[in-house]
Amino acid sequence: ETGVTQTPRHLVMGMTNKKSLKCEQHLGHNAMYWYKQSAKKPLELMFVYNFKEQTENNSVPSRFSPECPNSSHLFLHLHTLQPEDSALYLCASRPSYSPVAEAFFGQGTRLTVV
Amino acid sequence: GNSVTQMEGPVTLSEEAFLTINCTYTATGYPSLFWYVQYPGEGLQLLLKATKADDKGSNKGFEATYRKETTSFHLEKGSVQVSDSAVYFCALSGNSQAGTALIFGKGTTLSVSS
Repeated sequence: ETGVTQTPRHLVMGMTNKKSLKCEQHLGHNAMYWYKQSAKKPLELMFVYNFKEQTENNSVPSRFSPECPNSSHLFLHLHTLQPEDSALYLCASRPSYSPVAEAFFGQGTRLTVV
Repeated sequence: GNSVTQMEGPVTLSEEAFLTINCTYTATGYPSLFWYVQYPGEGLQLLLKATKADDKGSNKGFEATYRKETTSFHLEKGSVQVSDSAVYFCALSGNSQAGTALIFGKGTTLSVSS
């Protein structure tokens, strides 16, 4: 248990579906991140939020839409995904005021697009 | 920009063998360095970290020393176990701006057989 909780753990969705991934942390961190981890590929940073504001979007397709309503919660809204979007989606958080601090990761959501 | 380079895997060892996974980095200033471990089906967990030159991080028999002169942070363990089979990631955090995401290497898969 790392203090970062992701739901659901597994998700199967069709290409025309709309679904959302949820991430929650009560560690008092103000920076939150979405990563994508595909088989045989490096970890890909998707989005960065600091104090609820998006500070980084690494050229992620618009079919992925993040939302950060407060510093404890982060969502990733999914719509009209492609099979190549199947991957493990990881959420992480860090204290914004401490550059030396580590990131804490959730256990991830295993997404399969059919 | 900042970057992390890890040795390519997979690394295959017998139980009780000595482990080294090489990691070198490129960074401006004085980054903090981390090793994360990812067991099958799970998120990343912090294994150890070092925040300044010559610091040694250690945990669960694993060690790594922050070597500024060689820009390296190699992971070592004297006697691996089957339960150490996992993917290991080296990462760095630049000290220039809090809240920015850690920069990860590509990961090294370790497989230990009995």
